Amino acid sequence: KAGVTQTPRYLIKTRGQQVTLSCSPISGHRSVSWYQQTPGQGLQFLFEYFSETQRNKGNFPGRFSGRQFSNSRSEMNVSTLELGDSALYLCASSLGDEARITEAFFGQGTRLTVV
Amino acid sequence: AQSVTQLGSHVSVSEGALVLLRCNYSSSVPPYLFWYVQYPNQGLQLLLKYTSAATLVKGINGFEAEFKKSETSFHLTKPSAHMSDAAEYFCAVSPNMIKAAGNKLTFGGGTRVLVKP
Repeated sequence: KAGVTQTPRYLIKTRGQQVTLSCSPISGHRSVSWYQQTPGQGLQFLFEYFSETQRNKGNFPGRFSGRQFSNSRSEMNVSTLELGDSALYLCASSLGDEARITEAFFGQGTRLTVV
Repeated sequence: AQSVTQLGSHVSVSEGALVLLRCNYSSSVPPYLFWYVQYPNQGLQLLLKYTSAATLVKGINGFEAEFKKSETSFHLTKPSAHMSDAAEYFCAVSPNMIKAAGNKLTFGGGTRVLVKP
């Protein structure tokens, strides 16, 4: 079965621009989480969507937002890009079963470079 | 708030030697714990997970980890390192409260493993 697909794999943007990243979860998975990975801060949780609703949120400014569609695909948007937003953005999908913790499967990530 | 500490950002082992990666967590209640591996330019792959069943957990690629509540630790081991084990390893924790947890993982800083021939 197909894994988690993130597009695009690489992206270069200019400061002040906005960017949208896409994540297609594994078929049947209803939860999508987003993480930012940088050399300085490591892996940090951005937010999680489950059944089109944001279920958890990390400590990121409002410039970072996301949404989930009825087919569980998710997008995250970063507005007014800053140099510090350069990072690998990882998406993880899971069943999201509220009765138990389920395994999170990660995509290969989108490498965003802000210049 | 939960946190995870991985002791040692870099570990160098000889091929065939024991691999030991240390992870300590901070949580008011026993959490769920995970080990992930990341190869260059790749996402994260789950090695193993602890979800309050057996304290000794076996994972893929010959790795295992032992949950020790008294030490708040979840160290990862592999008896004999292979060249293919060279990667970065992350310990992660998730709250043991399903409806609050969702799928929110808190990661340690990572340990990069170098395997010498």
